[in-house]
Order: sequence, then C-alpha cells, then structure tokens
Amino acid sequence: TAGITQAPTSQILAAGRSMTLRCTQDMRHNAMYWYRQDLGLGLRLIHYSNTAGTTGKGEVPDGYSVSRANTDDFPLTLASAVPSQTSVYFCASSDFGTAKAFFGQGTRLTVV
Amino acid sequence: GENVEQHPSTLSVQEGDSAVIKCTYSDSASNYFPWYKQELGKRPQLIIDIRSNVGEKKDQRIAVTLNKTAKHFSLHITETQPEDSAVYFCAASRDFGNEKLTFGTGTRLTIIP
Repeated sequence: TAGITQAPTSQILAAGRSMTLRCTQDMRHNAMYWYRQDLGLGLRLIHYSNTAGTTGKGEVPDGYSVSRANTDDFPLTLASAVPSQTSVYFCASSDFGTAKAFFGQGTRLTVV
Repeated sequence: GENVEQHPSTLSVQEGDSAVIKCTYSDSASNYFPWYKQELGKRPQLIIDIRSNVGEKKDQRIAVTLNKTAKHFSLHITETQPEDSAVYFCAASRDFGNEKLTFGTGTRLTIIP
C-alpha cells in the first residue's frame, strides 16, 4: 500500500515564482493536512481539509492556498514564493473521527 | 487554541539507560495524545498514543503516561538502543469530529553507545 505520496521530493525555486506541491493518498481518509517543519519550531499546520470540497486555515496559512476536489488529492500552492517559505513540507491524512495522522515522505523546498 | 510545550529539546543517554520526554498542553478538552518518531530525513511516524480515559499505555520498551489534572504527558523509553536515536514529537488534540493535532517542538534524542 502506497499510503501518502508527495511530489516532488525536493525543489529549488526562485523567489517570486509559483509552485504546487502534490499530495495523494490511497487510504480513503476523509481529512488531509499540510504541515511545514522548521528547525526548533516543530510541525506547524498550514491548511487542512476535513472532507472533499472543504478547506480551512491552520496556524501559518499566509502565502499558501489549497484545494480538495476529491478525497485522494490535496495540493498546496505557493503563488509567489519568498525565502521564508524555505522548509520541509509534510502532507498528512487521518480517518473520519480521529486525529491519528499518517504522514507523507515530505518535500524539501528551498526558495532562493 | 491548543499550545503544546515539550522538554527537553535535546537529550543524550547512555545505551541501556532510560529516556523520558515531557510535554504539557493548555486545552483541557484535549483527549488524544500521540507521540511521533522522526529519523533523519524521514517522515514522522506514530509510535504510541494515549487517550484521556487511561493514565498509562505500554508497548514493549516504550510507554506513555498522562496526568489530565496537571495537563502533562510523558514518553518513557527503557533499555535504550542506538536505533532509538531520532527526533520525537508529542502532540495533542480533541479526538472527536474533525480535530487537528498541535505538535510540540521536538526532542532530539541521542543514544550514546
């Protein structure tokens, strides 16, 4: 079972450019999440989706947008990247009625 | 919202000794407390979790204890081994409906051979 797959695994992006980080899960989980991980700050929630067609803002949503057109996919878009968005991004999912989250392998993004 | 504090940020223990990592949370309605282990360059992986209706849970060499009155919970690793070296994260949430995890800032555990 693939679980949660993220793409790309790493990317160097010029400031001002846009980029979409992809996330796909095959566990039919209702909820999906995007976290960013920065040294000393742990995992901080960017955006989430409780079910297909709905999204919500997390702790650090500015500069990011998401969509949830179907159950399996939850892309994260940076419209105009800035160096402070350099981070490791993790997608996660959880089944209905539980916060037990399973993570993708991460995307390391460097904005220069 | 929920706030989770985790201590210590780094911990070194001799192989075979025990390691304890502590977390406190702020939301008295939180009732789900997982622990994740993250090896270098890998994804966080759930290693143990506890719900508020129990005070302790064990799984082989790892255990988690919960004190709801004091709003703190701890991870205990006994008979530590080199493969226990990793970053450990605690988290808390309300575990009903569609609630989201709030993570601590992590503890880098190093096992000294």
